[in-house]
Amino acid sequence: GQNIDQPTEMTATEGAIVQINCTYQTSGFNGLFWYQQHAGEAPTFLSYNVLDGLEEKGRFSSFLSRSKGYSYLLLKELQMKDSASYLCAPRRSGGYQKVTFGTGTKLQVIP
Amino acid sequence: NAGVTQTPKFRILKIGQSMTLQCTQDMNHNYMYWYRQDPGMGLKLIYYSVGAGITDKGEVPNGYNVSRSTTEDFPLRLELAAPSQTSVYFCASSNNEQFFGPGTRLTVL
Repeated sequence: GQNIDQPTEMTATEGAIVQINCTYQTSGFNGLFWYQQHAGEAPTFLSYNVLDGLEEKGRFSSFLSRSKGYSYLLLKELQMKDSASYLCAPRRSGGYQKVTFGTGTKLQVIP
Repeated sequence: NAGVTQTPKFRILKIGQSMTLQCTQDMNHNYMYWYRQDPGMGLKLIYYSVGAGITDKGEVPNGYNVSRSTTEDFPLRLELAAPSQTSVYFCASSNNEQFFGPGTRLTVL
């Protein structure tokens, strides 16, 4: 099975940096995804980590430590449009690429 | 590419009615999924498919059925709708990261 733990809500200031943590317990781990979901919309893909370390993509970076079952998403130079839920989603190896989505961290960016 | 498309966007059903939610993808992805998302909750997997002709149950399959006759299409069938099926339904496809359709907002009264 998979257990995923991430904070329910966070608040940060426009222009600042915020780190959203995720811990997971996944048998047969095979990578971790982060998705962004604005209220009333579908999730959209942000990042994918399969090896330990930091993956940087513009203002967003994602880090993975497989041995610790830990990942974080780092958002820099926060903008108001970054207010959304951020879903941590570890994948288990297997025939159908089983991905389990966490309940998400709702980030509110304030002026 | 249109990506993943879903119809309808909204629907209200009466208890006991049935309907089919349509999902089509034009990215030639092997994997397709149906999720439901209740307010303030995470995505729950209903059914998935690893390719045409192959489907299997996810976490919450009761009350639903699917088929996958082509690579592109993955319709979700609700038989005998119940109020507990009021939710937002997302279809997704992938070869690695998942691409989601815009969702169908279903209310059962």
